[in-house]
Amino acid sequence: DSGVTQTPKHLITATGQRVTLRCSPRSGDLSVYWYQQSLDQGLQFLIQYYNGEERAKGNILERFSAQQFPDLHSELNLSSLELGDSALYFCASSGGTGLYNEQFFGPGTRLTVL
Amino acid sequence: AQSVTQLGSHVSVSEGALVLLRCNYSSSVPPYLFWYVQYPNQGLQLLLKYTTGATLVKGINGFEAEFKKSETSFHLTKPSAHMSDAAEYFCAVSASNYQLIWGAGTKLIIKP
Repeated sequence: DSGVTQTPKHLITATGQRVTLRCSPRSGDLSVYWYQQSLDQGLQFLIQYYNGEERAKGNILERFSAQQFPDLHSELNLSSLELGDSALYFCASSGGTGLYNEQFFGPGTRLTVL
Repeated sequence: AQSVTQLGSHVSVSEGALVLLRCNYSSSVPPYLFWYVQYPNQGLQLLLKYTTGATLVKGINGFEAEFKKSETSFHLTKPSAHMSDAAEYFCAVSASNYQLIWGAGTKLIIKP
């Protein structure tokens, strides 16, 4: 158990809908990262937050947005969903912003768009 | 720009045999290098990392990796494979814009 929790574990929805994925980092970790893992694109970094502020942006679509709240939990919002958005979405946390820090991954949310 | 190449999407070894998973990177700055492992239906877990100092890095579960700057490689090895090592392994390199660049992953298959 990494100490990172993600809810829900599974999500099935239809095209055009909007969903919110939730992540609680390990106790004390200020950085949260979001990743998308799919068969065709592999593991893609989406976005990082540090103590409530956006720190780095990767291959995140404009239909996707995220935020980190004062209690440090984070949410990833996916809207106007398409079939291709079906994937595993991972959240990870680390103690600082430095890339030498280990990232602790949650168990993921499996999103299926029908 | 930084990039990571993992040679072989699938590697199959017999139980007790040497495990060698290859990772080559490109980076314009001194890199931080990582190996993560993903067991079925789980998130990723750090195996080992290289930041600075000793180029031979030991990780969990008997794995180690050697940073070779001249070859821009960070190959992962384990002397003797165990059935429990069956998983997907990801190599990653730090990028200059506060993110990790991930390889495509290598699935390790252990034959009994």
